[in-house]
Amino acid sequence: DAGITQSPRHKVTETGTPVTLRCHQTENHRYMYWYRQDPGHGLRLIHYSYGVKDTDKGEVSDGYSVSRSKTEDFLLTLESATSSQTSVYFCANQRSVGQPQHFGDGTRLSIL
Amino acid sequence: GQQLNQSPQSMFIQEGEDVSMNCTSSSIFNTWLWYKQDPGEGPVLLIALYKAGELTSNGRLTAQFGITRKDSFLNISASIPSDVGIYFCAGRPAQGGSEKLVFGKGTKLTVNP
Repeated sequence: DAGITQSPRHKVTETGTPVTLRCHQTENHRYMYWYRQDPGHGLRLIHYSYGVKDTDKGEVSDGYSVSRSKTEDFLLTLESATSSQTSVYFCANQRSVGQPQHFGDGTRLSIL
Repeated sequence: GQQLNQSPQSMFIQEGEDVSMNCTSSSIFNTWLWYKQDPGEGPVLLIALYKAGELTSNGRLTAQFGITRKDSFLNISASIPSDVGIYFCAGRPAQGGSEKLVFGKGTKLTVNP
């Protein structure tokens, strides 16, 4: 069990609005990740964190920012949402170096 | 970026049959992971492999870390209807020292009762 809660689970919003997705973990795992999952592309890494206030970009980071001010929370922000960001977003955590990642149940985001 | 080639893309089998799927890469990996995803849920870890040649089982599932470190295999024996879902492989590249994973695009498994 990843001990991850993603919120909201579903969201519909309009193009140009800001959106923030939250990932909360009950463990004190060091690493946290944000992915998007789209048909034909599988899971693609957006950003990840290797500690409080330590973050780095993934392969599809344009248009997204993240923040991790406490170990248990990792926020993903779309400053100005676009229709191309309609997707299912997954958060994952990882206890330490070399360990497997464990996933939350996802947020389905629709941008109209 | 690095890619994992996962095959087959989909499988349609009868209940009771055995299933095999695999992932291959052109580069070497330190870790291989296998996940299963059910509709509307996140991927769930099935098996983790850490050494070349390692063979690990989880119930009816068996996975192997290829000797070349460039591939991994997942077998499911005596399939049942609840095995339906999408199976993903993921690997941690040996080069780069990063904790980032590379994912295959998944194998969609359908089991006919």
